[in-house]
Amino acid sequence: QKEVEQDPGPLSVPEGAIVSLNCTYSNSAFQYFMWYRQYSRKGPELLMYTYSSGNKEDGRFTAQVDKSSKYISLFIRDSQPSDSATYLCAMSGGADGLTFGKGTHLIIQP
Amino acid sequence: DAMVIQNPRYQVTQFGKPVTLSCSQTLNHNVMYWYQQKSSQAPKLLFHYYDKDFNNEADTPDNFQSRRPNTSFCFLDIRSPGLGDAAMYLCATSREAEDNEQFFGPGTRLTVL
Repeated sequence: QKEVEQDPGPLSVPEGAIVSLNCTYSNSAFQYFMWYRQYSRKGPELLMYTYSSGNKEDGRFTAQVDKSSKYISLFIRDSQPSDSATYLCAMSGGADGLTFGKGTHLIIQP
Repeated sequence: DAMVIQNPRYQVTQFGKPVTLSCSQTLNHNVMYWYQQKSSQAPKLLFHYYDKDFNNEADTPDNFQSRRPNTSFCFLDIRSPGLGDAAMYLCATSREAEDNEQFFGPGTRLTVL
């Protein structure tokens, strides 16, 4: 079993829809959880950073962490065509680098 | 703007011909990382430096080496590139080793002919 599982998609939704992206993980030592957005042929850009369980909101983006289920989510409200990208989850137990998911390819249809 | 810069953005090399990729940062971060990302795959950590303290991931092939001559610069050397080394190479930085917020450069896409 891989440490971080993420559905690669593609996930295609109409503009304005609420998008839900998810990752599951197996390592109970992970405490820091991140979501990165990566446009084609570009480097990942940090979107959300959370510590331990709970929710964090930033504009149209909400990150949720459920450590008891080893499950994290990113919600995008009022999705826009410019949100079309690959979304990578990443996590860490501390000073040991990040473990990434494979990324979910998201397409927002105008 | 403070940032992570990678050069070149695209690199083409021949099978077995050594290649060096470079990364520089103006964030004054202590830690620098090199990741390899193949198509539709997760970024895979190759190395990281805390200041000049080098850390090699256990499964990083010997074909890959890295240098960090000063705080701002880091280089990735591929001694004898094979076809399987074609990938995007990403440089990232973080303030401290315990700081999990990593900031990435735009990447160098390596093609091996």
